[in-house]
Amino acid sequence: DQQVKQNSPSLSVQEGRISILNCDYTNSMFDYFLWYKKYPAEGPTFLISISSIKDKNEDGRFTVFLNKSAKHLSLHIVPSQPGDSAVYFCAASARDYKLSFGAGTTVTVRA
Amino acid sequence: EAGVAQSPRYKIIEKRQSVAFWCNPISGHATLYWYQQILGQGPKLLIQFQNNGVVDDSQLPKDRFSAERLKGVDSTLKIQPAKLEDSAVYLCASSLGVYDRTDTQYFGPGTRLTVL
Repeated sequence: DQQVKQNSPSLSVQEGRISILNCDYTNSMFDYFLWYKKYPAEGPTFLISISSIKDKNEDGRFTVFLNKSAKHLSLHIVPSQPGDSAVYFCAASARDYKLSFGAGTTVTVRA
Repeated sequence: EAGVAQSPRYKIIEKRQSVAFWCNPISGHATLYWYQQILGQGPKLLIQFQNNGVVDDSQLPKDRFSAERLKGVDSTLKIQPAKLEDSAVYLCASSLGVYDRTDTQYFGPGTRLTVL
C-alpha cells in the first residue's frame, strides 16, 4: 500500500522561479520526513529532512514545510536552477526507522 | 571518500535464471540496505543489515530472494529463480550509525535488472 504519495509525476519550471513539490502521507505514525534527489544513472542523494516537532526547515535554496494536521509536506526550491533538474523523492519513517518512499516527481528547469 | 559501489550496473537474464548483485558500502558504515525500485515507483526496502545481522527482512520474498553480509562489510543479494516482475533497479545504501534514523542513507548507483 502506498503510504507516501507524490501525485504530480512531473513539474516544469522556468529558471529563477520557484519549484514547489508536494507529498502526502497516510500513516499517522510517520514523524520524520526526508527529500531525496536523483539524477539519471545515479542513486538518490539526501537533500533535506524535517522532524515532526518542526513545521519548517531551511537549507540554502531548499525549504521543506510540514503540515501534520493535513499529513502533507512540500519542498520549495528558490530560485530554481538548471542543475535542479532531477527526480525528487519524498520519504517518511516512523519509529521502526524504515523509509517509505513516494513514486517521485521529475522536475525540469527550463532556461 | 568513496561512495557505495555496486556491480554489475546492468544485467539481462531470462526468467527462471539466477542472478546476484554485489554491494560495497562506505567504509565504516554499520548499516546496509537493499532496495528494489520498480519503474514508476519509489524504492522499497527489501532487507536491512546492522553489521552482519539482519534487522528487517519483512519485505524480502524469501522463497526466491536471499541476501548476506559477510564480516559486516560487503553484501550480496541473490534472486533464484527470477520472475518477470523482478525487473527493477536494485539499490544498495549504507549509513554510519546504528538505530539512528537521522543518519543519512548513502545510495549506490544501482543495478538495473531486466528479466525476459
